[in-house]
Amino acid sequence: AQSVTQPDIHITVSEGASLELRCNYSYGATPYLFWYVQSPGQGLQLLLKYFSGDTLVQGIKGFEAEFKRSQSSFNLRKPSVHWSDAAEYFCAVGPPGGSYIPTFGRGTSLIVHP
Amino acid sequence: GAGVSQSPRYKVAKRGQDVALRCDPISGHVSLFWYQQALGQGPEFLTYFQNEAQLDKSGLPSDRFFAERPEGSVSTLKIQRTQQEDSAVYLCASSPGQGSYTGELFFGEGSRLTVL
Repeated sequence: AQSVTQPDIHITVSEGASLELRCNYSYGATPYLFWYVQSPGQGLQLLLKYFSGDTLVQGIKGFEAEFKRSQSSFNLRKPSVHWSDAAEYFCAVGPPGGSYIPTFGRGTSLIVHP
Repeated sequence: GAGVSQSPRYKVAKRGQDVALRCDPISGHVSLFWYQQALGQGPEFLTYFQNEAQLDKSGLPSDRFFAERPEGSVSTLKIQRTQQEDSAVYLCASSPGQGSYTGELFFGEGSRLTVL
Protein backbone atom coordinates (compact mmCIF):
# COMPACT_ATOMS: atom_id res chain seq x y z
CA ALA A 1 0.00 0.00 0.00
CA GLN A 2 1.14 3.51 -0.67
CA SER A 3 1.97 5.85 2.20
CA VAL A 4 3.25 9.36 2.71
CA THR A 5 5.38 10.69 5.55
CA GLN A 6 5.72 14.34 6.41
CA PRO A 7 8.20 14.28 9.29
CA ASP A 8 7.73 17.89 10.38
CA ILE A 9 4.47 18.73 12.12
CA HIS A 10 5.33 22.43 12.43
CA ILE A 11 7.87 24.61 10.65
CA THR A 12 8.58 28.19 11.68
CA VAL A 13 10.39 30.59 9.37
CA SER A 14 10.92 34.31 9.19
CA GLU A 15 9.37 36.27 6.38
CA GLY A 16 11.82 36.44 3.49
CA ALA A 17 13.66 33.30 4.52
CA SER A 18 13.81 30.17 2.38
CA LEU A 19 11.59 27.19 3.03
CA GLU A 20 11.82 23.45 2.55
CA LEU A 21 9.05 21.06 3.57
CA ARG A 22 9.89 17.38 3.54
CA CYS A 23 7.87 14.55 2.07
CA ASN A 24 8.79 10.89 1.76
CA TYR A 25 6.65 8.26 0.13
CA SER A 26 6.45 4.52 0.07
CA TYR A 27 5.31 2.92 -3.14
CA GLY A 28 6.48 0.09 -5.34
CA ALA A 29 6.84 2.17 -8.46
CA THR A 30 7.11 5.84 -9.30
CA PRO A 31 3.84 7.33 -8.16
CA TYR A 32 2.15 10.54 -9.05
CA LEU A 33 3.12 13.15 -6.42
CA PHE A 34 1.36 16.29 -5.29
CA TRP A 35 1.56 19.17 -2.89
CA TYR A 36 -1.62 20.83 -1.67
CA VAL A 37 -2.04 23.89 0.57
CA GLN A 38 -4.89 24.49 2.99
CA SER A 39 -5.47 27.93 4.46
CA PRO A 40 -7.61 28.16 7.61
CA GLY A 41 -11.25 27.43 6.87
CA GLN A 42 -10.52 26.71 3.23
CA GLY A 43 -10.40 23.65 1.05
CA LEU A 44 -7.18 22.18 -0.25
CA GLN A 45 -5.62 23.81 -3.29
CA LEU A 46 -3.13 22.14 -5.61
CA LEU A 47 0.31 23.78 -5.60
CA LEU A 48 2.07 21.46 -8.01
CA LYS A 49 2.25 17.90 -9.26
CA TYR A 50 4.77 15.45 -10.67
CA PHE A 51 3.87 12.70 -13.11
CA SER A 52 7.06 12.08 -15.07
CA GLY A 53 9.86 13.87 -16.88
CA ASP A 54 11.77 16.77 -15.39
CA THR A 55 12.22 16.04 -11.70
CA LEU A 56 12.07 19.72 -10.73
CA VAL A 57 8.53 20.99 -11.04
CA GLN A 58 7.28 24.52 -10.73
CA GLY A 59 3.98 25.37 -9.13
CA ILE A 60 1.84 28.30 -8.22
CA LYS A 61 2.74 31.04 -5.72
CA GLY A 62 6.46 30.62 -6.38
CA PHE A 63 6.72 27.08 -5.04
CA GLU A 64 8.77 24.29 -6.56
CA ALA A 65 9.39 20.66 -5.68
CA GLU A 66 12.03 18.14 -6.61
CA PHE A 67 11.42 14.44 -7.07
CA LYS A 68 14.34 12.29 -5.95
CA ARG A 69 13.75 8.66 -6.75
CA SER A 70 16.79 7.44 -4.81
CA GLN A 71 15.50 9.06 -1.64
CA SER A 72 11.77 8.46 -2.28
CA SER A 73 11.30 12.13 -1.59
CA PHE A 74 9.35 15.04 -3.03
CA ASN A 75 10.34 18.08 -0.99
CA LEU A 76 8.64 21.43 -1.43
CA ARG A 77 10.71 24.60 -1.57
CA LYS A 78 10.29 28.33 -1.81
CA PRO A 79 13.21 30.77 -1.93
CA SER A 80 11.53 33.60 -0.03
CA VAL A 81 8.50 33.09 2.18
CA HIS A 82 5.72 35.66 2.48
CA TRP A 83 3.45 36.05 5.52
CA SER A 84 0.53 34.90 3.37
CA ASP A 85 2.19 31.51 2.93
CA ALA A 86 1.27 30.58 6.50
CA ALA A 87 -0.96 27.54 6.07
CA GLU A 88 -1.10 23.76 6.26
CA TYR A 89 0.77 21.89 3.54
CA PHE A 90 -0.06 18.36 2.47
CA CYS A 91 1.95 15.99 0.35
CA ALA A 92 -0.03 13.33 -1.50
CA VAL A 93 0.76 10.25 -3.55
CA GLY A 94 -1.38 8.52 -6.14
CA PRO A 95 -0.80 5.36 -8.13
CA PRO A 96 -0.27 5.97 -11.84
CA GLY A 97 -3.15 4.87 -14.04
CA GLY A 98 -6.19 2.85 -13.09
CA SER A 99 -7.70 3.52 -9.69
CA TYR A 100 -6.07 6.66 -8.51
CA ILE A 101 -7.23 7.57 -5.06
CA PRO A 102 -4.63 9.89 -3.58
CA THR A 103 -3.20 9.19 -0.14
CA PHE A 104 -2.34 12.26 1.92
CA GLY A 105 0.30 12.87 4.53
CA ARG A 106 -0.61 14.28 7.92
CA GLY A 107 0.49 17.75 6.91
CA THR A 108 3.03 20.35 7.96
CA SER A 109 1.89 23.58 9.54
CA LEU A 110 3.91 26.57 8.34
CA ILE A 111 4.23 29.51 10.70
CA VAL A 112 5.72 32.72 9.33
CA HIS A 113 7.24 35.28 11.67
CA PRO A 114 7.44 38.93 10.56
CA GLY B 1 -20.70 28.62 -8.64
CA ALA B 2 -17.41 27.65 -10.16
CA GLY B 3 -16.09 25.58 -7.28
CA VAL B 4 -17.08 22.57 -5.19
CA SER B 5 -19.82 23.52 -2.77
CA GLN B 6 -20.46 21.74 0.51
CA SER B 7 -23.28 22.17 2.98
CA PRO B 8 -23.72 22.63 5.79
CA ARG B 9 -20.38 24.23 6.61
CA TYR B 10 -20.91 23.48 10.30
CA LYS B 11 -23.06 20.86 11.94
CA VAL B 12 -23.47 20.08 15.61
CA ALA B 13 -25.20 16.81 16.37
CA LYS B 14 -26.07 15.02 19.56
CA ARG B 15 -24.68 11.54 19.88
CA GLY B 16 -27.04 9.11 18.20
CA GLN B 17 -28.47 11.57 15.70
CA ASP B 18 -28.31 11.02 11.95
CA VAL B 19 -26.62 13.64 9.77
CA ALA B 20 -26.47 14.26 6.03
CA LEU B 21 -23.70 16.22 4.35
CA ARG B 22 -24.09 17.48 0.82
CA CYS B 23 -21.53 17.99 -1.91
CA ASP B 24 -22.17 19.81 -5.17
CA PRO B 25 -19.16 19.17 -7.43
CA ILE B 26 -17.91 21.25 -10.31
CA SER B 27 -20.28 20.84 -13.23
CA GLY B 28 -19.19 18.07 -15.57
CA HIS B 29 -16.71 16.49 -13.17
CA VAL B 30 -16.93 12.76 -13.44
CA SER B 31 -15.09 11.76 -10.30
CA LEU B 32 -16.10 12.60 -6.75
CA PHE B 33 -14.25 11.80 -3.55
CA TRP B 34 -15.12 12.04 0.13
CA TYR B 35 -12.37 12.42 2.72
CA GLN B 36 -12.46 12.69 6.49
CA GLN B 37 -10.02 15.06 8.17
CA ALA B 38 -9.62 14.77 11.91
CA LEU B 39 -8.10 17.63 13.86
CA GLY B 40 -4.39 17.93 13.15
CA GLN B 41 -4.42 15.13 10.59
CA GLY B 42 -4.36 14.80 6.85
CA PRO B 43 -7.41 13.86 4.81
CA GLU B 44 -8.31 10.18 5.04
CA PHE B 45 -10.09 8.58 2.09
CA LEU B 46 -13.67 7.48 2.61
CA THR B 47 -15.23 6.74 -0.76
CA TYR B 48 -15.01 7.43 -4.50
CA PHE B 49 -17.62 7.78 -7.24
CA GLN B 50 -17.24 7.75 -10.97
CA ASN B 51 -20.46 9.29 -12.23
CA GLU B 52 -23.20 7.55 -10.22
CA ALA B 53 -21.18 4.40 -9.58
CA GLN B 54 -19.54 4.03 -6.20
CA LEU B 55 -16.33 2.33 -7.23
CA ASP B 56 -14.57 2.29 -3.90
CA LYS B 57 -15.97 2.55 -0.40
CA SER B 58 -13.11 0.87 1.39
CA GLY B 59 -12.44 3.88 3.58
CA LEU B 60 -15.87 4.10 5.17
CA PRO B 61 -15.16 3.40 8.85
CA SER B 62 -18.36 1.52 9.63
CA ASP B 63 -21.75 0.56 8.25
CA ARG B 64 -23.10 3.73 9.85
CA PHE B 65 -21.54 5.65 6.98
CA PHE B 66 -23.31 5.69 3.64
CA ALA B 67 -22.72 7.76 0.51
CA GLU B 68 -24.66 8.16 -2.69
CA ARG B 69 -24.55 10.07 -5.94
CA PRO B 70 -27.73 8.97 -7.66
CA GLU B 71 -27.61 11.15 -10.76
CA GLY B 72 -23.87 11.43 -11.09
CA SER B 73 -23.73 14.98 -9.84
CA VAL B 74 -24.63 15.95 -6.26
CA SER B 75 -23.47 13.54 -3.58
CA THR B 76 -24.65 13.01 -0.02
CA LEU B 77 -22.67 11.48 2.81
CA LYS B 78 -24.94 10.16 5.54
CA ILE B 79 -23.82 9.18 9.00
CA GLN B 80 -26.27 7.28 11.12
CA ARG B 81 -26.28 7.17 14.93
CA THR B 82 -23.36 9.60 15.17
CA GLN B 83 -20.62 8.96 17.70
CA GLN B 84 -18.11 11.37 19.19
CA GLU B 85 -15.32 9.83 17.12
CA ASP B 86 -17.18 10.94 14.00
CA SER B 87 -16.30 14.56 14.82
CA ALA B 88 -14.15 15.78 11.94
CA VAL B 89 -14.16 17.89 8.83
CA TYR B 90 -15.63 16.03 5.87
CA LEU B 91 -14.07 17.10 2.61
CA CYS B 92 -15.53 16.56 -0.82
CA ALA B 93 -13.41 16.77 -3.94
CA SER B 94 -14.14 16.37 -7.62
CA SER B 95 -12.05 15.74 -10.69
CA PRO B 96 -12.80 15.86 -14.38
CA GLY B 97 -10.96 12.63 -15.04
CA GLN B 98 -12.21 9.13 -15.40
CA GLY B 99 -10.15 5.98 -15.65
CA SER B 100 -6.65 7.29 -16.19
CA TYR B 101 -5.37 9.75 -13.68
CA THR B 102 -5.68 13.46 -14.37
CA GLY B 103 -3.95 14.63 -11.26
CA GLU B 104 -5.77 17.44 -9.60
CA LEU B 105 -8.59 17.18 -7.13
CA PHE B 106 -10.73 20.26 -6.57
CA PHE B 107 -11.77 20.46 -2.95
CA GLY B 108 -14.71 22.09 -1.27
CA GLU B 109 -14.30 23.99 1.99
CA GLY B 110 -15.54 21.07 4.00
CA SER B 111 -18.32 20.35 6.46
CA ARG B 112 -17.22 20.47 10.09
CA LEU B 113 -19.17 17.96 12.16
CA THR B 114 -19.12 18.14 15.94
CA VAL B 115 -20.82 15.35 17.85
CA LEU B 116 -21.66 16.13 21.47
